[in-house]
Amino acid sequence: QSALTQPPSASGSPGQSVTISCTGTSSDITGYNYVSWYQQHPGKAPKLMIYEVRKRPSGVPDRFSGSKSGNTASLTVSGLQAEDEADYYCSSYAGSNNFVVFGGGTKLTVL
Amino acid sequence: QVQVVQSGAEVKNPGASVKVSCKASGYTFTSYIMHWVRQAPGQRLEWMGWINAGNGNTKYSPKFQGRVTITRDTSASTVYMELSSLTSEDTAVYYCTRGSASYSDCWGQGTLVTVSS
Repeated sequence: QSALTQPPSASGSPGQSVTISCTGTSSDITGYNYVSWYQQHPGKAPKLMIYEVRKRPSGVPDRFSGSKSGNTASLTVSGLQAEDEADYYCSSYAGSNNFVVFGGGTKLTVL
Repeated sequence: QVQVVQSGAEVKNPGASVKVSCKASGYTFTSYIMHWVRQAPGQRLEWMGWINAGNGNTKYSPKFQGRVTITRDTSASTVYMELSSLTSEDTAVYYCTRGSASYSDCWGQGTLVTVSS
């Protein structure tokens, strides 16, 4: 069960946009439109930000958007705000053998 | 409101088992899948398995197959995760989550399990 690959860190200034990538394989991201993204502040439980590649749960600002191309999914945060500073994890459904896999996480810093 | 509330922190000896509970409220318990995800200190999230709260079907990560058991009590809207043959590498925060097969839209507060002699 291989983890998805994310950059360990990303950063941007307030008001800017930043994109975090998540690379998988034909067994997960490529094969299914079931990519989700989670935000985790220190010491807190993760929070769902994007599901099924690009859908936003109620209450999540539209500054957060998701996309997918081939084996790579992306999370874009527009109009960065201080409260966006957190760890972000991607996840994908990986079929009937492995089911769910997570990325290694990306620490987003708002400069 | 929708919430899942987990049992408290546990300290276990190596070789022992731990059973963590997760009580759901604010929605129809049997209409959702409940996942268990763990996070070792400073590490990534790691999916362990899920249970269909409606029919009781379970799916486990190959990594934990044979060592983890997820059950549910529909009368109490509660899900349980039992992990056996604990080692120090099982020291982690364990999360119960509500969702579908592919995502989790409501997370419990987490339960710290410490394995130490």
